[in-house]
Amino acid sequence: AQTVTQSQPEMSVQEAETVTLSCTYDTSESDYYLFWYKQPPSRQMILVIRQEAYKQQNATENRFSVNFQKAAKSFSLKISDSQLGDAAMYFCAYRSPSGGGADGLTFGKGTHLIIQP
Amino acid sequence: DAGVIQSPRHEVTEMGQEVTLRCKPISGHNSLFWYRQTMMRGLELLIYFNNNVPIDDSGMPEDRFSAKMPNASFSTLKIQPSEPRDSAVYFCASRVRSTGELFFGEGSRLTVL
Repeated sequence: AQTVTQSQPEMSVQEAETVTLSCTYDTSESDYYLFWYKQPPSRQMILVIRQEAYKQQNATENRFSVNFQKAAKSFSLKISDSQLGDAAMYFCAYRSPSGGGADGLTFGKGTHLIIQP
Repeated sequence: DAGVIQSPRHEVTEMGQEVTLRCKPISGHNSLFWYRQTMMRGLELLIYFNNNVPIDDSGMPEDRFSAKMPNASFSTLKIQPSEPRDSAVYFCASRVRSTGELFFGEGSRLTVL
């Protein structure tokens, strides 16, 4: 079974600074999807960024980018120019493309990101 | 476009009562998922449906939990009888199979006293 580990329960960063959230995963598959979701206090789970394992290029969405290291099974999220609205829980998630019992997303335990004004 | 719609947003009930949570997925999405979120266990997949058919319910904690999807636009998660340890936020999510990402509802916060 796949597992996703987020080793940082909480991170704090000054507004306008850059912060990196860590995520590692364990899988025996070669093709899969990785995601970062944001959960603000409103509780809504919002997709931040996605990465297909077969793509070597790191995904980028505005101020959000990932550092995908397939061999190391690492998928970190970098937030540049942090804003107060970035304060939230961030979840790393894994999905196998093979379907069956692994068709849902497997989530890490989350990292609580605090933005200091 | 409307997102995934869940109801109720909050539910407070007493132990032993029946609880029904409802979900309307995004139109055109052919997969639906029910997740439970607690502080201790994080986000856990309870069950998911493809084209209204339950595919994997191995995450359902016990027989007190049941889920149905009578048509492509509606699903329910029922707990009968409810217990205090069922207190959690229950999320419904839907997906177009090819894209991978899930679109979540706002969740239903259940408190069982």
